[in-house]
Amino acid sequence: AQSVTQLDSQVPVFEEAPVELRCNYSSSVSVYLFWYVQYPNQGLQLLLKYLSGSTLVESINGFEAEFNKSQTSFHLRKPSVHISDTAEYFCAVTGGGGATNKLIFGTGTLLAVQP
Amino acid sequence: NAGVTQTPKFRILKIGQSMTLQCAQDMNHNYMYWYRQDPGMGLKLIYYSVGAGITDKGEVPNGYNVSRSTTEDFPLRLELAAPSQTSVYFCASLSGTGSYEQYFGPGTRLTVT
Repeated sequence: AQSVTQLDSQVPVFEEAPVELRCNYSSSVSVYLFWYVQYPNQGLQLLLKYLSGSTLVESINGFEAEFNKSQTSFHLRKPSVHISDTAEYFCAVTGGGGATNKLIFGTGTLLAVQP
Repeated sequence: NAGVTQTPKFRILKIGQSMTLQCAQDMNHNYMYWYRQDPGMGLKLIYYSVGAGITDKGEVPNGYNVSRSTTEDFPLRLELAAPSQTSVYFCASLSGTGSYEQYFGPGTRLTVT
């Protein structure tokens, strides 16, 4: 069975500081990995995804994540955060090539950016 | 495209009442999903569908039912509402053509008292 662990439920950080949100997964099959972002009182939006190829993936708003197969991790990083990055971030996994495309979500990390 | 739409946005139910949460998508996606989100628990899959006429249980199906008579619509039925069903419910869809991105609706906040 697949699972996702986000150890940090909340990460406070000052504006313009770097941040890393941690995500570890377990799976017996090859996986596709995702980071979704949820702004207050909204649905989830895809931030970035790893399907294959380069292990470093980037989003349009400066976030990046690196797939590390040996450490079964997919940590999310940003070198300098803004107030507008305050949101909840969910890591998710699906088994590559599965017929149902079901996602398994982590419990989320609240990124709280302070001025 | 409106994407994924959900109605209502908010609802308060009394214990034992029933209701249907509506979900529709206009992207011609084959796959649709219902999740519930509880504080500190992430999202849990309730039911999903891989196409019209095909549905299956997810991780937490008890107390819920679904149907998928068209590609566009995927309603979630709550029978005999209980306080444990107080949650935020999200519907999502996915095309199934290789992008693997699920598109989420804005959610329905349900309180059962």
